[in-house]
Amino acid sequence: DAGVIQSPRHEVTEMGQEVTLRCKPISGHDYLFWYRQTMMRGLELLIYFNNNVPIDDSGMPEDRFSAKMPNASFSTLKIQPSEPRDSAVYFCASTVTISGNTIYFGEGSWLTVV
Amino acid sequence: DAKTTQPPSMDCAEGRAANLPCNHSTISGNEYVYWYRQIHSQGPQYIIHGLKNNETNEMASLIITEDRKSSTLILPHATLRDTAVYYCIVSGGYQKVTFGIGTKLQVIP
Repeated sequence: DAGVIQSPRHEVTEMGQEVTLRCKPISGHDYLFWYRQTMMRGLELLIYFNNNVPIDDSGMPEDRFSAKMPNASFSTLKIQPSEPRDSAVYFCASTVTISGNTIYFGEGSWLTVV
Repeated sequence: DAKTTQPPSMDCAEGRAANLPCNHSTISGNEYVYWYRQIHSQGPQYIIHGLKNNETNEMASLIITEDRKSSTLILPHATLRDTAVYYCIVSGGYQKVTFGIGTKLQVIP
């Protein structure tokens, strides 16, 4: 079975541009998480969904960030407009209810905003 | 979720057992202890979890004290590929899962 798939793996963009990160969770998983990792702040939970519904978005840093999950097999994290301080690795992860918190992570999207 | 405390870094000689401690003194009765690791440039990887009994799988062993206020992850024969950041997490279920700073384990040849 394929793991969590994220795209793009690497992106370099100019300040002010819109960035869209994509995630395909593991088939059958009903929870999806978006994390951001930086050297300064470590691994931060931004938002998570259950059955495509956002449950907790308190970690989303500001209004420039938005996340959607239109169906069970796809989610996006959008930054508009992007700023240099958004440079980080963004991880998507998923799990299935019966496994509790055994979470499976994607390989991450490395974002650089210049 | 209960808070955890881990040493920021540890060294271990290759081939020896690596014992990574975690304190979780505020753990509640329905909360499990989970361990993940993150190898450089990769996403975190699940290792093992337990409630109150000791657990073992192909990757590691988890020893939880009787009062459940602390635990130890044991890598029985550390290899260079075990060099990573190890995260101890306490969680009761389908809540938001937060990762702390973890322990940076360096396996030395």
